[in-house]
This record gives sequence, C-alpha cells and structure tokens, in this order.
Amino acid sequence: DAGVIQSPRHEVTEMGQEVTLRCKPISGHNSLFWYRQTMMRGLELLIYFNNNVPIDDSGMPEDRFSAKMPNASFSTLKIQPSEPRDSAVYFCASSRGLTLPYNEQFFGPGTRLTVL
Amino acid sequence: GQQVMQIPQYQHVQEGEDFTTYCNSSTTLSNIQWYKQRPGGHPVFLIQLVKSGEVKKQKRLTFQFGEAKKNSSLHITATQTTDVGTYFCAGTGRRALTFGSGTRLQVQP
Repeated sequence: DAGVIQSPRHEVTEMGQEVTLRCKPISGHNSLFWYRQTMMRGLELLIYFNNNVPIDDSGMPEDRFSAKMPNASFSTLKIQPSEPRDSAVYFCASSRGLTLPYNEQFFGPGTRLTVL
Repeated sequence: GQQVMQIPQYQHVQEGEDFTTYCNSSTTLSNIQWYKQRPGGHPVFLIQLVKSGEVKKQKRLTFQFGEAKKNSSLHITATQTTDVGTYFCAGTGRRALTFGSGTRLQVQP
C-alpha cells in the first residue's frame, strides 16, 4: 500500500512568493496532520483535520499560513507571502482516527522548503 | 500550553553500550507515543503507552510510562549502528500530539 504522499519533495522559492504544499493521506485514514520541523523549534504541529474538518489550527504561526482539506484524499498547506524564516521541512501525517487505538500517525517523506 | 521536554538532546555511545532518553510533560497525558527519525528521513511510529506505570518491550528497546502519566523513558540495550537516529516522544493531552524536542543518538562502531 502507498504511504502518505507529499509533493513537491523540494521547493526553492523567493521571498514574497506563494508556496503550496500538497498531501495525499493513506486511503481510509480519517485524520490528517501538518507539521513543521526546524533545528531551532523541533517538530511543531501546525494544524490537524478530522473527517476533512479542521479541528485545531492553534499551531499555525500566522495569517500567512492556511490549510485546506477539500476531500478525504487531499490536503494543501499554503504560505502567502513566504518569508525566509518559513524555511523548514514540512511533514504531513495521517491516522485512522484521533482516539485509541487508531491514533498511530504515519508520516509522509516531507517537503523541504527553502525561501530565499 | 502543553509542553513536552526531552533529555538529553544528544548522546554519542560506543556500539554495545546502553542508551536512555527521558521525556517529561508539563501536564498529565492521556497516552504517549515514541517515534524514530533516521537522518534525512521522516518520523516512524515505534510504540504507544496508555496505562499508568506501563512497560513495553520491543527486542532491545524498553519503554516505560510513569505512574503519574507525566513522564516516559526509552531504554536501548546494547546499541547497534542501526539504532542511529533521533528518538521523539509525543504526548496526547489537550492537543492531538505534542512532540518532545528529540534525542539524537549517534553510535560509534
């Protein structure tokens, strides 16, 4: 079975440009998570969805960040406008659910974003 | 807010030595998960602990959940070079999952 799929794997952009990261969760998984990983801040939960509905977006750093999940098989994380401090690896993860025993998370390979 | 702290940040051991990483939460957790991330890779789920005082073993790895459900530990017996990576604990409390800062393990052959 395919795992969590993220695209692109690498993105280099210039400050001020819009960036869109994409994620396809594992089929049958109802919960989807977006994380950001940096050396300074570690692994941070940005937002998560359950049954396509955003549950908690308190980790989204600011209004420049937005996330959508239009259907069960696709989610996007958008940064507009991007800034150099947004450079990080962005992971998408999915799980069957939010509660035991379905809450084991499966991570995608990540998108390495560099904002110049 | 919910915070999960992990120590040490980094440990370098000789192959065959033991290794332990500790995780402490500022709040009581419903459960705790452990993940391993290889260099350049993504976090991979290892195990989940739910009950107070729970101990689980996976071959050379031993996981414990504290009695108060605010701390946890991962102990690796006789490390091997394949154990290299960063080990994260992640606690479920008010938020879906709060990750600790991780412990990076380096194993010298």
